[in-house]
Amino acid sequence: GEDVEQSLFLSVREGDSSVINCTYTDSSSTYLYWYKQEPGAGLQLLTYIFSNMDMKQDQRLTVLLNKKDKHLSLRIADTQTGDSAIYFCAEVDTGRRALTFGSGTRLQVQP
Amino acid sequence: DGGITQSPKYLFRKEGQNVTLSCEQNLNHDAMYWYRQDPGQGLRLIYYSQIVNDFQKGDIAEGYSVSREKKESFPLTVTSAQKNPTAFYLCATRTGIAAGQLFFGSGTQLSVL
Repeated sequence: GEDVEQSLFLSVREGDSSVINCTYTDSSSTYLYWYKQEPGAGLQLLTYIFSNMDMKQDQRLTVLLNKKDKHLSLRIADTQTGDSAIYFCAEVDTGRRALTFGSGTRLQVQP
Repeated sequence: DGGITQSPKYLFRKEGQNVTLSCEQNLNHDAMYWYRQDPGQGLRLIYYSQIVNDFQKGDIAEGYSVSREKKESFPLTVTSAQKNPTAFYLCATRTGIAAGQLFFGSGTQLSVL
């Protein structure tokens, strides 16, 4: 079955860039996703990338996709304290039309 | 406002008791999902439903049951067979054709007394 892996924790200073990494296993995934979860809340979709793209930029967010290595990253420029949250990458389970999530990376932004 | 309502926000279960978590949506979405979240383990799929009157087991369905009698509602029952029910439960709907665009409710924290 699919398995999505992320490191559990990242700490950065306010104003620095954050890079959150993810590896996935299903090479047939057509889309890959990044979700954000604030404390005690549900997840919200941040951004996604189509599998035929290498990069997608959306304001402060940059997604990089390396299909050969099955590696996905999310870069947050000029990280703010409001970016402190858990970030999940996810790939599509095409058979079930559901998402398989990584374990989440807790981003802590220090003033 | 359109959205997903999960209730209650906090729920306590006594040993041997069945409890039901509510998930109601007014988004007119066909597909609905239940995920369980444990610290450091991400989200795991419990059950999902692509359409009314149909649902399928996910990866960790044992000890849980669901129904989908109405498009708007997808309740999850945590039965006494689920020996480790303490977790954060999230309900979601699929917003479009793309399988990954999910819209989540605000979750229910279930704890065992």
